[in-house]
Amino acid sequence: DQQVKQNSPSLSVQEGRISILNCDYTNSMFDYFLWYKKYPAEGPTFLISISSIKDKNEDGRFTVFLNKSAKHLSLHIVPSQPGDSAVYFCAALRGLNAGNMLTFGGGTRLMVKP
Amino acid sequence: NAGVTQTPKFQVLKTGQSMTLQCAQDMNHNSMYWYRQDPGMGLRLIYYSASEGTTDKGEVPNGYNVSRLNKREFSLRLESAAPSQTSVYFCASSATGHYNQPQHFGDGTRLSIL
Repeated sequence: DQQVKQNSPSLSVQEGRISILNCDYTNSMFDYFLWYKKYPAEGPTFLISISSIKDKNEDGRFTVFLNKSAKHLSLHIVPSQPGDSAVYFCAALRGLNAGNMLTFGGGTRLMVKP
Repeated sequence: NAGVTQTPKFQVLKTGQSMTLQCAQDMNHNSMYWYRQDPGMGLRLIYYSASEGTTDKGEVPNGYNVSRLNKREFSLRLESAAPSQTSVYFCASSATGHYNQPQHFGDGTRLSIL
């Protein structure tokens, strides 16, 4: 059973608008969350992270929100750009000294239309 | 500035054949990881090495072996390939196993087993 789920396999938005990618988790022991971005034929690259003691973390156009009670996090991209078109993976870490063993969601393909 | 280098990029095997996937990093990282990516499943951890000389099982280790040859290199071996091992394999590294050290990924090896 997947402990980290991204229920939307794909998302299409217009350039300049907001992209919202969602992620749900079931394991309450997760206490650190990351988003990775992946282009075709390349490996994932780290985008942004958030600790469970926070509810928001912002880095430029990217903001991650965490709702612990709902076991839900989301990635907001504002404004969306065509270069943001990629697959986005949500990942979770259980324990801050867990050897960095990540549990990934299945990914959401974002398409930003010019 | 190579980062994480994986070889080969593509490989086709017959059932029962053996194969070693190579991974090398030039960032002086202590921790290295092997993942497999299957459609809709995200990335799943096969094995990891927290530091030179140590290896541990991840979520899906069956059918695989690993060797941490030195600090730079971490190889993944399939002793008797099975069609269920058809996947894209990613190697990653991080400075330490600490949670705030994001993993850096190679570009993957696409493996098909007939």
